[in-house]
Amino acid sequence: SQTIHQWPATLVQPVGSPLSLECTVEGTSNPNLYWYRQAAGRGLQLLFYSVGIGQISSEVPQNLSASRPQDRQFILSSKKLLLSDSGFYLCAWGGGPYGYTFGSGTRLTVV
Amino acid sequence: AQSVTQPDIHITVSEGASLELRCNYSYGATPYLFWYVQSPGQGLQLLLKYFSGDTLVQGIKGFEAEFKRSQSSFNLRKPSVHWSDAAEYFCAVGFYGKLTFGQGTILTVHP
Repeated sequence: SQTIHQWPATLVQPVGSPLSLECTVEGTSNPNLYWYRQAAGRGLQLLFYSVGIGQISSEVPQNLSASRPQDRQFILSSKKLLLSDSGFYLCAWGGGPYGYTFGSGTRLTVV
Repeated sequence: AQSVTQPDIHITVSEGASLELRCNYSYGATPYLFWYVQSPGQGLQLLLKYFSGDTLVQGIKGFEAEFKRSQSSFNLRKPSVHWSDAAEYFCAVGFYGKLTFGQGTILTVHP
């Protein structure tokens, strides 16, 4: 069966520090992968999606970047975190009519 | 513009009462439609989905949803709410590989 792993679960980082969040999927090949951010009271915002290795589409201009170095690995990064980067980050895979499966999320607090 | 609207930010019901959460979408064609549930600090769990066929779909935990093309709606229902249903509910639309969420409805259940 397909599973999605996301880590770390929580993270507290100082302003200006770098960020790396990792997401991996098991049990499927060439999945569409997604990064979402959920800020307090602002719903879920699509940040990046990827349809294959090295293929990244950005949905909103921001301080973050994404990479897909392997078929089932999706990484969210920042060189210098801002306070506004705080939020709950969710990785997902899937697409089409069969739905999307989400990871358990990373709670990022920038202090 | 394409959008997903959940008009109710917060709904409170008594345990055992019926529930209906509203969702409207604005897209040129019928997209894939989903309802997700999120407990505090957790990821998203798929309740049900619709992409074709019978317009009344059954999901997990006793939930169902009805697609009404004429109203561009996909409302979620449950005949008898349990205290464990307290959570945040998101309607989502899948269109050309991307999943767009409504703002969410927080459900509070009174004993």
